Amino acid sequence: QKEVEQNSGPLSVPEGAIASLNCTYSDRGSQSFFWYRQYSGKSPELIMFIYSNGDKEDGRFTAQLNKASQYVSLLIRDSQPSDSATYLCAVENSGSARQLTFGSGTQLTVLP
Amino acid sequence: SQTIHQWPATLVQPVGSPLSLECTVEGTSNPNLYWYRQAAGRGLQLLFYSVGIGQISSEVPQNLSASRPQDRQFILSSKKLLLSDSGFYLCAWSWSGQGGEQYFGPGTRLTVT
Repeated sequence: QKEVEQNSGPLSVPEGAIASLNCTYSDRGSQSFFWYRQYSGKSPELIMFIYSNGDKEDGRFTAQLNKASQYVSLLIRDSQPSDSATYLCAVENSGSARQLTFGSGTQLTVLP
Repeated sequence: SQTIHQWPATLVQPVGSPLSLECTVEGTSNPNLYWYRQAAGRGLQLLFYSVGIGQISSEVPQNLSASRPQDRQFILSSKKLLLSDSGFYLCAWSWSGQGGEQYFGPGTRLTVT
């Protein structure tokens, strides 16, 4: 049973701060990792993907991957109230690259 | 660019009634297609996925079924709904063959009463 674990939160940060979201996974053979943002009542939206160990930056978002530790994280710099949402971590299954296993999500609230 | 549509957006159905949810994708050929269900406050549960017309893989035994009658059309059905079928149903697509990132439609919120 492939598992993806996230702290459900809620995580609250003040506006302008850095929000740090974490995810661990059990499938050691996984090669691709994704972060989705889901606003309340809406469908998930892809915001980042990362394939290699290290950091990947896109605007205010940075994804970090450590395959040895089976750990992936998302940093949001200069957090804004509009970043308040649930963030889902998804991991590609090593046995079937067309399938993703999703974590249950971390609810983030950015306080004005 | 690619677009994914789902309908209806919301649905209220009595227990024991049939169900048909539709998903279509535009702007790509032979996509991989997926049906997920998200219960309130929970993660995404993969129900079905398809790599081509008529090719359906089921991930969870249940009273739901899926069909792919055309390349970019994916349908989720049930003959008799249960209360436990309530949830947010999401269709997603990924690039043909390689998988990778998935893109979600707007979803259908189903309430079984």
